[in-house]
Amino acid sequence: GAGVSQSPSNKVTEKGKDVELRCDPISGHTALYWYRQSLGQGLEFLIYFQGNSAPDKSGLPSDRFSAERTGGSVSTLTIQRTQQEDSAVYLCASSLGSSYNSPLHFGNGTRLTVT
Amino acid sequence: DAKTTQPPSMDCAEGRAANLPCNHSTISGNEYVYWYRQIHSQGPQYIIHGLKNNETNEMASLIITEDRKSSTLILPHATLRDTAVYYCIVRFNNAGNMLTFGGGTRLMVKP
Repeated sequence: GAGVSQSPSNKVTEKGKDVELRCDPISGHTALYWYRQSLGQGLEFLIYFQGNSAPDKSGLPSDRFSAERTGGSVSTLTIQRTQQEDSAVYLCASSLGSSYNSPLHFGNGTRLTVT
Repeated sequence: DAKTTQPPSMDCAEGRAANLPCNHSTISGNEYVYWYRQIHSQGPQYIIHGLKNNETNEMASLIITEDRKSSTLILPHATLRDTAVYYCIVRFNNAGNMLTFGGGTRLMVKP
């Protein structure tokens, strides 16, 4: 079946512009997670959703970052007034539930480059 | 948080078994051990997970010691396509149960 789909796969934007990154989770998965990975670095947790709710937003690096999820499915990560340090691969994952016995399945990410 | 310790890199000959160790000496009784791998330019790929029993699937086997303080991921017949960074993660019962990735082991499978 279809895995987690992210779009666009690559995005180049100018400093100061806003960007929207989209994630389509696996059908039926109620939990959705956003991570980012800077060049040569590990994965940094940003935010997770259970259904349409985001109980924990503490991983978002600044108030320029926001995320929403509608209909318990598609999620959008928005970065306002992008900065060069926002350049990274943004990864989305989904899981059947938020139980820790339910594996996360990742998409291939959106590579964001801020010039 | 239960932290994990993995060797930074390992080599394995193609066709041989790759045995990747992981120490998690502070693991709690209800925390799962997860293994993921990441091939260059792709998202992390789920491999296997377990609580205390050994587990096997089509990709790998997971051997967890009786005291649960360490585990080994076994790829029975490594291929060149198994070259990747392998992450051992202890998933604890935090809000959202997200995964916390460490440095991982860079496995190089050589012909």
